[in-house]
Amino acid sequence: AQSVTQPDIHITVSEGASLELRCNYSYGATPYLFWYVQSPGQGLQLLLKYFSGDTLVQGIKGFEAEFKRSQSSFNLRKPSVHWSDAAEYFCAVVPNTGGFKTIFGAGTRLFVKA
Amino acid sequence: EPEVTQTPSHQVTQMGQEVILRCVPISNHLYFYWYRQILGQKVEFLVSFYNNEISEKSEIFDDQFSVERPDGSNFTLKIRSTKLEDSAMYFCASSELVVPSNEQFFGPGTRLTVL
Repeated sequence: AQSVTQPDIHITVSEGASLELRCNYSYGATPYLFWYVQSPGQGLQLLLKYFSGDTLVQGIKGFEAEFKRSQSSFNLRKPSVHWSDAAEYFCAVVPNTGGFKTIFGAGTRLFVKA
Repeated sequence: EPEVTQTPSHQVTQMGQEVILRCVPISNHLYFYWYRQILGQKVEFLVSFYNNEISEKSEIFDDQFSVERPDGSNFTLKIRSTKLEDSAMYFCASSELVVPSNEQFFGPGTRLTVL
């Protein structure tokens, strides 16, 4: 079945530590890939996206993500986490089937400890 | 910077009542969407709208839901007879180009509480 999986419901990291949030997708053709962040009570903000080309994409706020076709993954990374990064992170896809709807993963809540 | 706006930020209604959630997409955008997020759950696609008609809808978007672009700026979601399970955060989004790779810009959401 077509799906977007974020295996970690929540993650806690120390401020200054590195971060990796996992995302796997299950679609026949590589979909368009996105990461969004949602702060408490706020809307969704796009961090980065991948369509084609260089498999390492840079986003806002110091985030990057790497597309790995062989693993059907699009993991989000940040080398040094700041307390303000505490939020919910959603991996999302737009399937490459002609439609435009975005399919979201269940989200990973990031906690940052001092 | 242009942004998608939504009103109201919070709506409380009684079960069975009609509600209209309003959105003002970014002015030069052509494609509009509604999504919802039940508390603690993932964001779910409801409907997309282009050229004054529904392009795509999910199984959630049943006959009690409707969308409309009543003028050149607003995009509305109507729920005819609300149910308790309609309580959720509703997000409007818009995109400029009619291609799936185009970024969707999301509004801040309207929290709907059905009592």
